[in-house]
Amino acid sequence: KAGVTQTPRYLIKTRGQQVTLSCSPISGHRSVSWYQQTPGQGLQFLFEYFSETQRNKGNFPGRFSGRQFSNSRSEMNVSTLELGDSALYLCASSLARDGYTFGSGTRLTVV
Amino acid sequence: QKEVEQNSGPLSVPEGAIASLNCTYSDRGSQSFFWYRQYSGKSPELIMSIYSNGDKEDGRFTAQLNKASQYVSLLIRDSQPSDSATYLCAAYNNNDMRFGAGTRLTVKP
Repeated sequence: KAGVTQTPRYLIKTRGQQVTLSCSPISGHRSVSWYQQTPGQGLQFLFEYFSETQRNKGNFPGRFSGRQFSNSRSEMNVSTLELGDSALYLCASSLARDGYTFGSGTRLTVV
Repeated sequence: QKEVEQNSGPLSVPEGAIASLNCTYSDRGSQSFFWYRQYSGKSPELIMSIYSNGDKEDGRFTAQLNKASQYVSLLIRDSQPSDSATYLCAAYNNNDMRFGAGTRLTVKP
Protein backbone atom coordinates (compact mmCIF):
# COMPACT_ATOMS: atom_id res chain seq x y z
CA LYS A 1 0.00 0.00 0.00
CA ALA A 2 1.16 3.55 -0.66
CA GLY A 3 2.99 5.31 2.14
CA VAL A 4 2.84 8.90 3.27
CA THR A 5 3.51 11.24 0.36
CA GLN A 6 4.97 14.69 0.84
CA THR A 7 5.42 17.26 -1.86
CA PRO A 8 7.58 18.96 -2.85
CA ARG A 9 10.78 17.18 -1.72
CA TYR A 10 12.90 20.32 -1.89
CA LEU A 11 12.15 24.03 -1.80
CA ILE A 12 14.26 27.15 -1.87
CA LYS A 13 12.55 30.37 -0.82
CA THR A 14 13.69 33.85 0.06
CA ARG A 15 13.05 35.62 3.35
CA GLY A 16 9.60 37.15 3.58
CA GLN A 17 7.98 34.74 1.15
CA GLN A 18 5.40 32.18 2.10
CA VAL A 19 5.33 28.46 1.39
CA THR A 20 2.77 25.66 1.33
CA LEU A 21 3.72 22.03 1.90
CA SER A 22 1.46 19.09 1.14
CA CYS A 23 1.00 15.70 2.78
CA SER A 24 -1.13 12.75 1.69
CA PRO A 25 -1.49 10.16 4.48
CA ILE A 26 -1.74 6.41 4.16
CA SER A 27 -5.17 5.44 2.92
CA GLY A 28 -7.51 5.07 5.87
CA HIS A 29 -5.36 7.09 8.25
CA ARG A 30 -7.27 10.09 9.51
CA SER A 31 -4.64 11.56 11.81
CA VAL A 32 -1.88 13.70 10.30
CA SER A 33 0.90 15.32 12.32
CA TRP A 34 3.57 17.76 11.25
CA TYR A 35 7.08 18.12 12.64
CA GLN A 36 10.04 20.38 12.02
CA GLN A 37 13.45 18.73 12.21
CA THR A 38 16.68 20.66 12.55
CA PRO A 39 20.13 19.41 13.62
CA GLY A 40 20.09 21.50 16.77
CA GLN A 41 16.51 21.02 17.92
CA GLY A 42 15.58 17.54 16.77
CA LEU A 43 11.94 16.81 15.95
CA GLN A 44 9.68 19.63 17.07
CA PHE A 45 5.91 19.11 17.05
CA LEU A 46 3.94 21.61 14.95
CA PHE A 47 0.35 20.38 14.93
CA GLU A 48 -1.92 17.37 14.61
CA TYR A 49 -5.14 17.06 12.61
CA PHE A 50 -7.92 14.51 12.76
CA SER A 51 -11.02 14.61 10.57
CA GLU A 52 -10.30 18.19 9.46
CA THR A 53 -9.91 19.43 13.05
CA GLN A 54 -6.70 20.60 14.66
CA ARG A 55 -6.53 18.64 17.90
CA ASN A 56 -3.15 19.75 19.12
CA LYS A 57 -0.61 22.46 18.46
CA GLY A 58 3.03 22.89 19.38
CA ASN A 59 4.87 26.03 20.43
CA PHE A 60 5.39 27.66 17.06
CA PRO A 61 4.48 31.23 16.08
CA GLY A 62 1.26 32.01 14.25
CA ARG A 63 3.20 32.18 10.97
CA PHE A 64 2.90 28.41 10.95
CA SER A 65 -0.55 27.15 10.09
CA GLY A 66 -2.15 24.09 8.65
CA ARG A 67 -5.34 22.48 7.57
CA GLN A 68 -6.76 19.10 6.69
CA PHE A 69 -9.20 18.31 3.92
CA SER A 70 -12.08 15.86 3.89
CA ASN A 71 -9.91 13.26 2.13
CA SER A 72 -7.40 13.52 5.04
CA ARG A 73 -4.77 15.25 2.91
CA SER A 74 -3.10 18.03 4.85
CA GLU A 75 -1.28 21.22 4.01
CA MET A 76 1.07 23.30 6.08
CA ASN A 77 1.71 26.96 5.42
CA VAL A 78 4.52 29.18 6.65
CA SER A 79 4.20 32.89 6.02
CA THR A 80 6.85 35.61 6.17
CA LEU A 81 9.68 33.10 6.01
CA GLU A 82 12.76 33.61 8.18
CA LEU A 83 16.22 32.10 7.79
CA GLY A 84 15.59 30.02 10.91
CA ASP A 85 12.68 28.26 9.20
CA SER A 86 15.17 26.29 7.11
CA ALA A 87 14.56 22.70 8.12
CA LEU A 88 13.23 19.31 7.15
CA TYR A 89 9.44 19.30 7.53
CA LEU A 90 8.04 15.87 8.20
CA CYS A 91 4.48 14.71 8.01
CA ALA A 92 3.29 11.53 9.72
CA SER A 93 0.02 9.65 9.63
CA SER A 94 -1.38 7.14 12.08
CA LEU A 95 -4.31 5.00 13.11
CA ALA A 96 -5.50 5.63 16.67
CA ARG A 97 -2.59 5.62 19.13
CA ASP A 98 -0.33 3.41 17.01
CA GLY A 99 3.08 4.64 16.05
CA TYR A 100 3.47 7.06 13.21
CA THR A 101 4.49 6.46 9.60
CA PHE A 102 6.52 9.33 8.28
CA GLY A 103 6.74 10.72 4.79
CA SER A 104 10.09 11.45 3.14
CA GLY A 105 9.85 15.07 4.17
CA THR A 106 10.18 18.44 2.49
CA ARG A 107 13.55 20.12 2.84
CA LEU A 108 13.00 23.87 2.97
CA THR A 109 15.89 26.26 2.54
CA VAL A 110 15.30 29.96 3.18
CA VAL A 111 17.91 32.30 1.70
CA GLN B 1 6.64 21.33 28.93
CA LYS B 2 6.51 17.72 27.80
CA GLU B 3 10.14 16.66 27.55
CA VAL B 4 11.71 13.49 26.29
CA GLU B 5 15.40 13.26 27.07
CA GLN B 6 18.02 11.04 25.47
CA ASN B 7 21.79 10.92 25.56
CA SER B 8 22.86 12.40 22.24
CA GLY B 9 25.84 10.09 21.99
CA PRO B 10 27.51 9.17 19.83
CA LEU B 11 27.38 5.63 21.13
CA SER B 12 29.87 3.28 19.55
CA VAL B 13 29.77 -0.51 19.96
CA PRO B 14 31.62 -3.32 18.19
CA GLU B 15 29.76 -5.64 15.85
CA GLY B 16 28.04 -8.42 17.76
CA ALA B 17 27.79 -6.46 21.02
CA ILE B 18 24.67 -5.25 22.81
CA ALA B 19 23.77 -1.60 22.28
CA SER B 20 21.79 0.01 25.09
CA LEU B 21 19.81 3.19 24.43
CA ASN B 22 18.05 5.10 27.19
CA CYS B 23 15.29 7.66 27.42
CA THR B 24 13.38 9.52 30.14
CA TYR B 25 10.15 11.45 29.82
CA SER B 26 8.51 14.13 31.94
CA ASP B 27 4.80 13.73 31.13
CA ARG B 28 3.38 11.20 33.58
CA GLY B 29 0.22 11.00 31.49
CA SER B 30 2.12 9.45 28.58
CA GLN B 31 0.38 6.28 27.53
CA SER B 32 2.45 4.84 24.69
CA PHE B 33 6.13 4.77 23.91
CA PHE B 34 7.99 4.22 20.69
CA TRP B 35 11.45 3.81 19.26
CA TYR B 36 12.21 5.06 15.78
CA ARG B 37 15.34 4.57 13.72
CA GLN B 38 16.51 7.30 11.39
CA TYR B 39 19.26 6.74 8.87
CA SER B 40 21.18 9.77 7.68
CA GLY B 41 19.17 11.67 5.06
CA LYS B 42 16.06 9.55 5.63
CA SER B 43 12.88 9.97 7.64
CA PRO B 44 12.28 8.13 10.92
CA GLU B 45 10.85 4.61 10.80
CA LEU B 46 9.04 2.87 13.65
CA ILE B 47 10.89 -0.15 15.05
CA MET B 48 9.28 -0.79 18.45
CA SER B 49 6.25 0.21 20.48
CA ILE B 50 5.58 -0.49 24.15
CA TYR B 51 2.51 0.32 26.21
CA SER B 52 2.86 -1.41 29.58
CA ASN B 53 5.59 -1.86 32.15
CA GLY B 54 8.13 -4.59 31.50
CA ASP B 55 9.96 -5.90 28.49
CA LYS B 56 8.85 -6.40 24.91
CA GLU B 57 11.01 -8.37 22.53
CA ASP B 58 11.01 -8.32 18.72
CA GLY B 59 13.85 -10.17 17.08
CA ARG B 60 17.13 -8.56 18.13
CA PHE B 61 15.32 -5.62 19.73
CA THR B 62 14.01 -5.42 23.30
CA ALA B 63 12.14 -2.38 24.61
CA GLN B 64 11.82 -1.84 28.35
CA LEU B 65 9.38 0.46 30.12
CA ASN B 66 9.27 1.59 33.73
CA LYS B 67 6.46 4.10 34.22
CA ALA B 68 7.26 4.68 37.89
CA SER B 69 10.74 5.85 36.93
CA GLN B 70 9.52 7.44 33.67
CA TYR B 71 12.17 5.49 31.84
CA VAL B 72 12.25 3.71 28.49
CA SER B 73 15.13 1.79 26.99
CA LEU B 74 16.00 -0.12 23.84
CA LEU B 75 18.47 -2.98 23.69
CA ILE B 76 19.87 -4.15 20.38
CA ARG B 77 21.48 -7.58 20.59
CA ASP B 78 24.09 -8.84 18.14
CA SER B 79 24.53 -5.31 16.77
CA GLN B 80 25.26 -5.07 13.06
CA PRO B 81 26.88 -2.25 11.06
CA SER B 82 23.46 -1.79 9.40
CA ASP B 83 22.11 -0.77 12.83
CA SER B 84 24.23 2.40 12.65
CA ALA B 85 21.66 5.20 12.74
CA THR B 86 20.07 7.74 15.06
CA TYR B 87 17.50 6.25 17.43
CA LEU B 88 14.60 8.44 18.51
CA CYS B 89 12.53 7.80 21.61
CA ALA B 90 8.95 9.10 21.63
CA ALA B 91 6.19 9.39 24.22
CA TYR B 92 2.53 9.74 23.28
CA ASN B 93 -0.28 11.34 25.27
CA ASN B 94 -3.60 12.71 24.12
CA ASN B 95 -2.91 13.15 20.40
CA ASP B 96 0.56 14.50 21.09
CA MET B 97 3.70 12.52 20.17
CA ARG B 98 6.89 14.06 21.61
CA PHE B 99 10.33 13.00 20.49
CA GLY B 100 13.73 13.03 22.09
CA ALA B 101 16.67 14.54 20.24
CA GLY B 102 17.95 11.07 19.37
CA THR B 103 21.03 8.98 20.13
CA ARG B 104 23.49 8.36 17.31
CA LEU B 105 24.67 4.75 17.28
CA THR B 106 27.69 3.52 15.37
CA VAL B 107 28.37 -0.21 15.11
CA LYS B 108 31.98 -0.87 14.13
CA PRO B 109 32.83 -4.00 12.09
